[in-house]
Amino acid sequence: QSVLTQPPSVSAAPGQKVTISCSGSSSNIGNNYVSWYQQVPGTAPKLLIYDNNKRPSGTPDRFSGSKSGTSATLGITGLQTGDEADYYCGAWDNSVSAGVFGGGTKLTVL
Amino acid sequence: EVQLLESGGGLVQPGGSLRLSCTASGFTFSSYVLYWVRQAPGKGLEWVSAITDSGGRTYHADSVKGRFTISRDNSKNTLYLEMNSLRAEDTAVYYCARGVGLDYCDYWGQGTLVTVSS
Repeated sequence: QSVLTQPPSVSAAPGQKVTISCSGSSSNIGNNYVSWYQQVPGTAPKLLIYDNNKRPSGTPDRFSGSKSGTSATLGITGLQTGDEADYYCGAWDNSVSAGVFGGGTKLTVL
Repeated sequence: EVQLLESGGGLVQPGGSLRLSCTASGFTFSSYVLYWVRQAPGKGLEWVSAITDSGGRTYHADSVKGRFTISRDNSKNTLYLEMNSLRAEDTAVYYCARGVGLDYCDYWGQGTLVTVSS
């Protein structure tokens, strides 16, 4: 059972938009920054979004992040088959003084 | 170019010990927080440990507290994870990652597989 809650899977057609939610609490998302990671199976995770909504160089602007209260959302527009991957949210948790991740969401581009 | 290279993984019996290493290059090692994150086969990411830039503060997940110890040698640009009293549930790919404070990991290694089995 992960501290941050994500849907196990989402799917959409190429060119469409999808959102992935990440729900936490006041000890993590509510009072700390959220980051998002993309992981293609068999490879290492890659930073996609940091500080709730900032994109590192190399992340296309089709990817966006937002946060409201104790929840965060990753949005992906103009879906491409190459976006198929597992997506994880992460944050620091003040109550346990440790990092926490969501359980991951598998994105399928139909 | 930032590079993180893990080593030291392998097969170990339950109750045994193992030390993982992560050798870094391409950045000022002593200026960054460093992390260990693991991923059990077919499962999601699990945060394991973190250590501040000077090594003065360490953090461990409850699941490994008292059994795992994170450390670093800034003179050797190397991060370590000493793992004792290993259990089957510790079987995973272990990634080291560079942290920006305690906020996020911006670079990840390719991982090293630890298998705990008799």
